[in-house]
Amino acid sequence: QVQLVESGGGVVQPGRSLKLSCAASGFIFRSYAMHWVRQAPGKGLEWVAVISHDGRFIYYADSVKGRFIISRDNSKNTLDMQMNSLKTEDTAIYYCSRGAIVGAPKQLDFWGQGNLVTVSS
Amino acid sequence: QTVVTQEPSLTVSPGGTVTLTCASSTGAVTSSYYPNWFQQKRGQAPRALIYSGSNKHSWTPARFSGSLLGGKAVLTLSGAQPEDEADYYCLIYYGGVQVFGGGTKLTVL
Repeated sequence: QVQLVESGGGVVQPGRSLKLSCAASGFIFRSYAMHWVRQAPGKGLEWVAVISHDGRFIYYADSVKGRFIISRDNSKNTLDMQMNSLKTEDTAIYYCSRGAIVGAPKQLDFWGQGNLVTVSS
Repeated sequence: QTVVTQEPSLTVSPGGTVTLTCASSTGAVTSSYYPNWFQQKRGQAPRALIYSGSNKHSWTPARFSGSLLGGKAVLTLSGAQPEDEADYYCLIYYGGVQVFGGGTKLTVL
């Protein structure tokens, strides 16, 4: 079965960096786009970034552009998010989600359980 | 900045029907925007319900359906169950960048 397990969250000071990872299993990872989505405490979902199946195409939300870097390693079935220059407003649960297989309609079907990132001094 | 708008809250009676809508500040939502719908219960990760406006995932209960109507994406729940009480989010695709709506808190009462 499809499994997505996030790791790397924790407490970090404003201005510092943190790296999130998502370990994928149960499907052909290299064939699917992958997303990061976040949810601030008590707030709604916010789409953060997407990377195509082969890593060639990457898009970011304006709120993280220039600070966050999404990447993937298809040999290890892992998705990463390098988060730099963190702000208090980046505090959220971060979810990784499976996107569409090549050629299929855009969708996010499976989600991890989420990983909490707290940015606080 | 693109804004996706949903009703903040709705209430439906058990067994009743309710319609949730999703509008884009850029204009009419069409199939080219690949609207997705998600359900999120308290303390849980989101669960996908609908993709490409009207397509259901294999696990989506039959009482949920998606459509495009009047320039908006629409999620219809027919025969609401107590377990359908949750937050519902739409997601719109803008050629790479994607934007969630603010969410609708659905109460079954």
